[in-house]
Order: sequence, then C-alpha cells, then structure tokens
Amino acid sequence: QQQVKQSPQSLIVQKGGISIINCAYENTAFDYFPWYQQFPGKGPALLIAIRPDVSEKKEGRFTISFNKSAKQFSLHIMDSQPGDSATYFCAPYITGGGNKLTFGTGTQLKVEL
Amino acid sequence: GAGVSQSPSNKVTEKGKDVELRCDPISGHTALYWYRQSLGQGLEFLIYFQGNSAPDKSGLPSDRFSAERTGGSVSTLTIQRTQQEDSAVYLCASSAYRANSPLHFGNGTRLTVT
Repeated sequence: QQQVKQSPQSLIVQKGGISIINCAYENTAFDYFPWYQQFPGKGPALLIAIRPDVSEKKEGRFTISFNKSAKQFSLHIMDSQPGDSATYFCAPYITGGGNKLTFGTGTQLKVEL
Repeated sequence: GAGVSQSPSNKVTEKGKDVELRCDPISGHTALYWYRQSLGQGLEFLIYFQGNSAPDKSGLPSDRFSAERTGGSVSTLTIQRTQQEDSAVYLCASSAYRANSPLHFGNGTRLTVT
C-alpha cells in the first residue's frame, strides 16, 4: 500500500526560479507534516514542518502549503539556488505513535545556473 | 555537538554471512530509529526504540533482522544469512522524546551483498 506519494519524481529549475513539490497521503490519522532534505551520501535532515491546524508556514525561502480536505501538502522553494539541489521527502507521521516517519517516494531537485 | 554516528560507512559481505551495523545516537536522545533506503523501496521504517520500553519491531522485513539497544544508547542492527535483496543503505536516527521533535539521521551504512 503506497500511503504517501510525491510528485514530480524529478525536477529541474533555473537559478532564481520557484521549485514546487507535492505530497499526497491516504492516512487521515497523520497529524504532523514535515519535509526532509537529503544530499548525496548524507542522511535526511528536517527542512520545515507544519501542523494540520494551519494552512501555510514560511521559513525563509521555504514554504509549506497544507490542504487537509484534499489530503495534500506541498513544498515551495522560492529563489531556488544550486545549493538547494538535493532529494526532498515528505514524511508525515502520527504524533504520539513514536513519531515514525512515513516517507514519500522522493523528488530529486536540480537547480541549474 | 556530535551528530548520529554510524559504522561502518560501507560494508561488503557475501551472501549468507551475518552482518552487524552500529549506531551511536546523539547524547541524551531517548528515541532511536532504524530505516532502510533502497532504490526500489525508498525509505522504509524498520524498528524504533524509546527508553526502556519494548521496541516497535513492526517494520522488520523478516526474522533474519534484529536489533538491540544497550544501556539506552548504542544500537546494533544485525542481519543474519544476508541475501542480495538486503543490499541498501541502513540509516539510524535519534530524537529527543518530546512532541514533534525532529529525527536526526546519521549518514548511513551502505551494505552490499555479493
């Protein structure tokens, strides 16, 4: 059962452009919605996260938009930079359930000069 | 401070051999997780330890996989009678035990079974 689906699978964006990655989930028990960033040879690291009682959260160039009724949330990277080139994972989970992340399928982002 | 440390960083083993992978979590983190990352399956949860509670083993793919955590700190993931499909990167993460505390991942052990 594929609980968490991401799109697109890969993305190429020009420097300064906007990168948008989408995540769709099935499990309505999820109640915390983080995005993790992973560079080659490294483990994933938390980038930004949102609670379901808000529709948008912004931290610097990174914004999460959350649509509870559609069971979707997205990551927007403004003014994309080559250093943002990485693989991005949505990883929703159920708080109080051990915070076990359910990782999405991943999106490989490349930002070109 | 120091992050999550995993060893070895790479391990090549022959099919049928047993392997042990080690994880040193961040000091003071009571929660410890093992995940597996492979091309075909993405990032999969394997096992979760929290303090002195019984571990959540719900993600272990077979009884060839086991893990222990000694003294609430270091953890070892053991794979017995390795198979080629066990080839993957094994990631360990730790977190503080409070609501929505992020997971801090190590850089993983790349296991290759020949």
